[in-house]
Amino acid sequence: GENVEQHPSTLSVQEGDSAVIKCTYSDSASNYFPWYKQELGKRPQLIIDIRSNVGEKKDQRIAVTLNKTAKHFSLHITETQPEDSAVYFCAASHNDMRFGAGTRLTVKP
Amino acid sequence: DAGVTQSPTHLIKTRGQQVTLRCSPISGHKSVSWYQQVLGQGPQFIFQYYEKEERGRGNFPDRFSARQFPNYSSELNVNALLLGDSALYLCASSVTPSNTGELFFGEGSRLTVL
Repeated sequence: GENVEQHPSTLSVQEGDSAVIKCTYSDSASNYFPWYKQELGKRPQLIIDIRSNVGEKKDQRIAVTLNKTAKHFSLHITETQPEDSAVYFCAASHNDMRFGAGTRLTVKP
Repeated sequence: DAGVTQSPTHLIKTRGQQVTLRCSPISGHKSVSWYQQVLGQGPQFIFQYYEKEERGRGNFPDRFSARQFPNYSSELNVNALLLGDSALYLCASSVTPSNTGELFFGEGSRLTVL
Protein backbone atom coordinates (compact mmCIF):
# COMPACT_ATOMS: atom_id res chain seq x y z
CA GLY A 1 0.00 0.00 0.00
CA GLU A 2 0.83 3.67 -0.07
CA ASN A 3 3.51 4.97 2.30
CA VAL A 4 3.76 8.70 2.97
CA GLU A 5 6.76 10.23 4.71
CA GLN A 6 6.70 13.79 6.03
CA HIS A 7 9.49 16.12 7.15
CA PRO A 8 10.26 17.89 9.38
CA SER A 9 8.35 16.58 12.39
CA THR A 10 8.60 19.96 14.10
CA LEU A 11 9.17 23.42 12.65
CA SER A 12 9.51 26.72 14.46
CA VAL A 13 9.54 30.04 12.60
CA GLN A 14 9.26 33.72 13.42
CA GLU A 15 6.08 35.51 12.51
CA GLY A 16 6.34 36.76 8.95
CA ASP A 17 8.82 34.10 7.84
CA SER A 18 8.01 31.31 5.40
CA ALA A 19 7.48 27.65 6.33
CA VAL A 20 8.02 24.64 4.07
CA ILE A 21 6.89 21.08 4.77
CA LYS A 22 7.87 18.22 2.48
CA CYS A 23 6.33 14.82 1.79
CA THR A 24 7.22 11.82 -0.31
CA TYR A 25 4.93 9.00 -1.40
CA SER A 26 5.55 5.51 -2.70
CA ASP A 27 2.57 4.60 -4.89
CA SER A 28 2.99 6.07 -8.37
CA ALA A 29 -0.76 5.55 -8.94
CA SER A 30 -1.64 8.15 -6.28
CA ASN A 31 -3.34 11.08 -7.95
CA TYR A 32 -4.68 13.30 -5.19
CA PHE A 33 -2.57 15.10 -2.58
CA PRO A 34 -4.35 17.07 0.14
CA TRP A 35 -2.96 18.94 3.13
CA TYR A 36 -4.84 19.04 6.42
CA LYS A 37 -4.42 21.34 9.40
CA GLN A 38 -5.23 20.06 12.87
CA GLU A 39 -5.36 22.50 15.75
CA LEU A 40 -5.03 21.18 19.28
CA GLY A 41 -8.05 19.11 20.21
CA LYS A 42 -9.78 19.78 16.91
CA ARG A 43 -10.57 17.72 13.84
CA PRO A 44 -8.28 17.78 10.77
CA GLN A 45 -9.47 20.25 8.16
CA LEU A 46 -8.47 20.54 4.53
CA ILE A 47 -6.45 23.66 3.71
CA ILE A 48 -5.33 22.96 0.14
CA ASP A 49 -5.10 20.07 -2.28
CA ILE A 50 -3.53 19.28 -5.63
CA ARG A 51 -4.20 16.68 -8.28
CA SER A 52 -1.65 14.79 -10.31
CA ASN A 53 -2.27 16.76 -13.51
CA VAL A 54 -1.18 20.02 -11.84
CA GLY A 55 2.31 21.04 -10.74
CA GLU A 56 1.49 23.94 -8.44
CA LYS A 57 -1.52 25.50 -6.76
CA LYS A 58 -1.83 28.66 -4.69
CA ASP A 59 -4.45 29.98 -2.30
CA GLN A 60 -3.48 33.31 -0.76
CA ARG A 61 -0.52 32.62 1.58
CA ILE A 62 -0.55 28.88 0.97
CA ALA A 63 0.88 26.99 -2.00
CA VAL A 64 1.50 23.37 -2.82
CA THR A 65 3.92 21.96 -5.39
CA LEU A 66 3.96 18.44 -6.80
CA ASN A 67 6.78 16.59 -8.54
CA LYS A 68 5.30 13.35 -9.85
CA THR A 69 8.57 12.09 -11.26
CA ALA A 70 10.27 12.33 -7.88
CA LYS A 71 7.07 11.43 -6.01
CA HIS A 72 7.26 14.34 -3.64
CA PHE A 73 5.09 17.33 -2.83
CA SER A 74 5.50 20.32 -0.56
CA LEU A 75 3.44 22.86 1.36
CA HIS A 76 4.62 26.46 1.43
CA ILE A 77 3.20 29.00 3.85
CA THR A 78 4.34 32.60 3.40
CA GLU A 79 4.05 35.50 5.83
CA THR A 80 3.30 33.14 8.69
CA GLN A 81 1.05 34.28 11.52
CA PRO A 82 0.62 32.92 15.07
CA GLU A 83 -2.72 31.41 14.08
CA ASP A 84 -0.88 29.21 11.57
CA SER A 85 0.49 27.29 14.56
CA ALA A 86 -0.93 23.76 14.33
CA VAL A 87 -0.07 20.25 13.16
CA TYR A 88 -0.07 19.85 9.39
CA PHE A 89 -0.60 16.50 7.66
CA CYS A 90 0.07 15.64 4.06
CA ALA A 91 -1.76 12.77 2.42
CA ALA A 92 -1.72 10.81 -0.82
CA SER A 93 -4.66 8.99 -2.29
CA HIS A 94 -5.34 6.52 -5.02
CA ASN A 95 -8.08 4.23 -3.69
CA ASP A 96 -7.73 5.14 -0.05
CA MET A 97 -6.10 8.11 1.62
CA ARG A 98 -2.87 7.66 3.58
CA PHE A 99 -1.46 10.35 5.82
CA GLY A 100 2.02 11.42 6.82
CA ALA A 101 3.05 11.53 10.47
CA GLY A 102 2.52 15.27 10.73
CA THR A 103 4.55 18.46 11.24
CA ARG A 104 4.04 20.58 14.33
CA LEU A 105 4.44 24.18 13.19
CA THR A 106 5.01 26.88 15.79
CA VAL A 107 4.94 30.52 14.71
CA LYS A 108 6.56 32.75 17.31
CA PRO A 109 5.25 36.33 17.58
CA ASP B 1 -26.06 21.66 7.75
CA ALA B 2 -24.65 19.28 10.35
CA GLY B 3 -21.12 18.02 9.93
CA VAL B 4 -19.85 14.53 10.63
CA THR B 5 -20.95 13.42 14.09
CA GLN B 6 -19.36 10.71 16.19
CA SER B 7 -20.31 9.06 19.44
CA PRO B 8 -19.27 8.59 22.11
CA THR B 9 -16.73 11.41 22.38
CA HIS B 10 -14.77 9.75 25.17
CA LEU B 11 -14.78 6.26 26.61
CA ILE B 12 -12.70 4.11 28.90
CA LYS B 13 -12.48 0.34 28.56
CA THR B 14 -10.35 -2.41 30.05
CA ARG B 15 -8.23 -4.92 28.21
CA GLY B 16 -10.22 -7.71 26.60
CA GLN B 17 -13.43 -5.72 26.36
CA GLN B 18 -15.21 -4.78 23.16
CA VAL B 19 -16.16 -1.32 21.90
CA THR B 20 -18.50 0.06 19.26
CA LEU B 21 -18.01 3.55 17.84
CA ARG B 22 -20.63 5.31 15.75
CA CYS B 23 -20.49 7.84 12.95
CA SER B 24 -23.08 9.82 11.00
CA PRO B 25 -21.80 11.32 7.76
CA ILE B 26 -22.72 14.64 6.25
CA SER B 27 -26.08 14.44 4.53
CA GLY B 28 -25.59 13.29 0.94
CA HIS B 29 -22.20 11.68 1.60
CA LYS B 30 -22.22 7.97 0.88
CA SER B 31 -18.61 7.20 1.73
CA VAL B 32 -17.36 6.75 5.29
CA SER B 33 -13.76 6.10 6.29
CA TRP B 34 -12.35 5.24 9.69
CA TYR B 35 -8.92 6.31 10.93
CA GLN B 36 -6.96 5.65 14.10
CA GLN B 37 -4.83 8.53 15.37
CA VAL B 38 -2.36 7.73 18.09
CA LEU B 39 -1.07 10.76 19.99
CA GLY B 40 1.63 12.53 18.01
CA GLN B 41 1.05 10.59 14.79
CA GLY B 42 -0.94 10.96 11.61
CA PRO B 43 -4.29 9.27 11.04
CA GLN B 44 -3.89 5.61 10.08
CA PHE B 45 -6.43 4.21 7.62
CA ILE B 46 -8.62 1.40 8.99
CA PHE B 47 -11.61 1.01 6.67
CA GLN B 48 -13.58 2.69 3.94
CA TYR B 49 -17.22 1.94 3.14
CA TYR B 50 -19.24 3.17 0.20
CA GLU B 51 -22.86 2.29 -0.43
CA LYS B 52 -22.68 -0.26 2.43
CA GLU B 53 -19.81 -2.17 0.87
CA GLU B 54 -16.23 -2.30 2.09
CA ARG B 55 -14.04 -0.47 -0.40
CA GLY B 56 -10.74 -0.55 1.43
CA ARG B 57 -9.04 -1.99 4.46
CA GLY B 58 -5.84 -0.85 6.15
CA ASN B 59 -3.25 -2.92 7.97
CA PHE B 60 -5.26 -3.66 11.10
CA PRO B 61 -5.99 -7.05 12.72
CA ASP B 62 -9.28 -8.90 12.37
CA ARG B 63 -10.28 -7.62 15.81
CA PHE B 64 -11.31 -4.47 13.93
CA SER B 65 -14.52 -4.61 11.93
CA ALA B 66 -16.99 -2.12 10.57
CA ARG B 67 -20.24 -1.82 8.73
CA GLN B 68 -22.34 0.80 7.01
CA PHE B 69 -26.10 1.06 7.27
CA PRO B 70 -28.71 1.97 4.62
CA ASN B 71 -28.74 5.56 5.92
CA TYR B 72 -24.93 5.65 5.36
CA SER B 73 -24.10 5.86 9.05
CA SER B 74 -21.36 3.53 10.18
CA GLU B 75 -20.07 1.60 13.16
CA LEU B 76 -16.53 0.58 13.99
CA ASN B 77 -16.20 -2.39 16.30
CA VAL B 78 -13.03 -3.45 18.09
CA ASN B 79 -12.91 -6.75 19.97
CA ALA B 80 -10.47 -8.02 22.58
CA LEU B 81 -9.12 -4.57 23.31
CA LEU B 82 -5.40 -4.11 23.88
CA LEU B 83 -3.60 -1.23 25.58
CA GLY B 84 -2.24 -0.23 22.17
CA ASP B 85 -5.75 0.39 20.89
CA SER B 86 -5.88 3.57 22.96
CA ALA B 87 -6.22 6.35 20.41
CA LEU B 88 -8.48 8.93 18.83
CA TYR B 89 -10.74 7.23 16.29
CA LEU B 90 -11.74 9.55 13.50
CA CYS B 91 -14.56 9.08 11.08
CA ALA B 92 -14.54 10.95 7.78
CA SER B 93 -17.17 11.23 5.10
CA SER B 94 -16.85 12.15 1.46
CA VAL B 95 -18.92 12.39 -1.65
CA THR B 96 -16.83 10.17 -3.89
CA PRO B 97 -15.99 6.52 -3.34
CA SER B 98 -12.46 6.93 -4.61
CA ASN B 99 -11.17 9.22 -1.84
CA THR B 100 -9.85 11.71 -4.38
CA GLY B 101 -11.78 14.55 -2.85
CA GLU B 102 -12.03 16.29 0.48
CA LEU B 103 -12.53 14.17 3.56
CA PHE B 104 -14.72 15.78 6.21
CA PHE B 105 -13.72 14.59 9.65
CA GLY B 106 -15.73 14.26 12.81
CA GLU B 107 -14.41 15.36 16.19
CA GLY B 108 -13.43 11.79 16.97
CA SER B 109 -13.98 9.24 19.71
CA ARG B 110 -11.15 9.11 22.22
CA LEU B 111 -10.72 5.56 23.48
CA THR B 112 -8.62 4.78 26.54
CA VAL B 113 -7.87 1.14 27.29
CA LEU B 114 -6.70 0.39 30.82
